[in-house]
Amino acid sequence: GENVEQHPSTLSVQEGDSAVIKCTYSDSASNYFPWYKQELGKRPQLIIDIRSNVGEKKDQRIAVTLNKTAKHFSLHITETQPEDSAVYFCAAYTGFQKLVFGTGTRLLVSP
Amino acid sequence: EAGVTQFPSHSVIEKGQTVTLRCDPISGHDNLYWYRRVMGKEIKFLLHFVKESKQDESGMPNNRFLAERTGGTYSTLKVQPAELEDSGVYFCASSPRAGQFSSGTEAFFGQGTRLTVV
Repeated sequence: GENVEQHPSTLSVQEGDSAVIKCTYSDSASNYFPWYKQELGKRPQLIIDIRSNVGEKKDQRIAVTLNKTAKHFSLHITETQPEDSAVYFCAAYTGFQKLVFGTGTRLLVSP
Repeated sequence: EAGVTQFPSHSVIEKGQTVTLRCDPISGHDNLYWYRRVMGKEIKFLLHFVKESKQDESGMPNNRFLAERTGGTYSTLKVQPAELEDSGVYFCASSPRAGQFSSGTEAFFGQGTRLTVV
């Protein structure tokens, strides 16, 4: 079955710096890769996603890149702000429509 | 449009008791997932329904856990008898079924049920 690994587990940055979170997946049939943000006490919410026919997608300060050959995908946040502090999860969606999550990255942005 | 709702939001039970969690997905969503997050760690997959059928239940920890989705609408997750290690936040998510030649679709999460077994 699909296995998604995520690094780092924690990431501390200064406000204004960039943050990068990386994930790898195992199932070459996976075709959709969403990223979720979970703030303390709240439900996970989609922030950006990318499909297997696209290499990069950007939405304001966040971007996601996908390398299908290497089975890697990454989340990039530029000009980080304190409100970006949260736990971020990558996920992979297999050909059987199963959604499997990575282990999460706790991002802390210090003012 | 109503989002994914879960009941109860919190549950505290004693070891050995039974608890039933409920999830009401977004209307029309064929895919329904159950996940568990323990001690602030990963969102661990439990199982996946497509309509009323269990597509994948490989993440269910053991036979003390039973999930149902009667009629392909709401779903229940029963833990019987509950053990201390079952404590955690149980999330439900739903998504539309992707087309035959399409990739995945956004999954929407409920607010979770925080289960504490004492």
